Amino acid sequence: SQQGEEDPQALSIQEGENATMNCSYKTSINNLQWYRQNSGRGLVHLILIRSNEREKHSGRLRVTLDTSKKSSSLLITASRAADTASYFCATPILTGGGNKLTFGTGTQLKVEL
Amino acid sequence: DAGVIQSPRHEVTEMGQEVTLRCKPISGHDYLFWYRQTMMRGLELLIYFNNNVPIDDSGMPEDRFSAKMPNASFSTLKIQPSEPRDSAVYFCASSHGGNSNQPQHFGDGTRLSIL
Repeated sequence: SQQGEEDPQALSIQEGENATMNCSYKTSINNLQWYRQNSGRGLVHLILIRSNEREKHSGRLRVTLDTSKKSSSLLITASRAADTASYFCATPILTGGGNKLTFGTGTQLKVEL
Repeated sequence: DAGVIQSPRHEVTEMGQEVTLRCKPISGHDYLFWYRQTMMRGLELLIYFNNNVPIDDSGMPEDRFSAKMPNASFSTLKIQPSEPRDSAVYFCASSHGGNSNQPQHFGDGTRLSIL
């Protein structure tokens, strides 16, 4: 079963606007990762935030993590048509060696010109 | 550097046939993961290897599924016999170091259709 759930399931915005996606998870984590998947392609790692971090930036991406609420958000600023993709959060399964990730259900982002 | 390479990109076959999916991980990566993605179930981990050794195959759905990694640069996922419910996109991913702090690098997948 999936640990993470993204919200909203789908998001449509105009180019230049900001896009915010949320992820909720169920169990304790030591980090949380965000991935992007373009149509017909594999997932691409975007950013990792550790459990002792509250916010992290990478270019136009801003990720926050609230471990007390078991939630994370991904903000894409000044969106572009090329940002159109599905976005997934991924959290580790810390039992049994801790080498596995479980992926959320994804948010489909569409950025229109 | 070349990324994770999967073949074939598309496979259409009739139920009952054997299907073999192939993966070449990124050179130097010591972990390899096989995932399946469907609309209904999302992205599911099937099995993963460390240094060519299968570590956790608890996600493999049935005995019809098997995976091997004969060397550090090649892995296969085999379905025999295939069934229509196996239709999905199958991804291979690799990482350097296995703890979950490492990003996984995905191939572009094999889209499998079982008729």
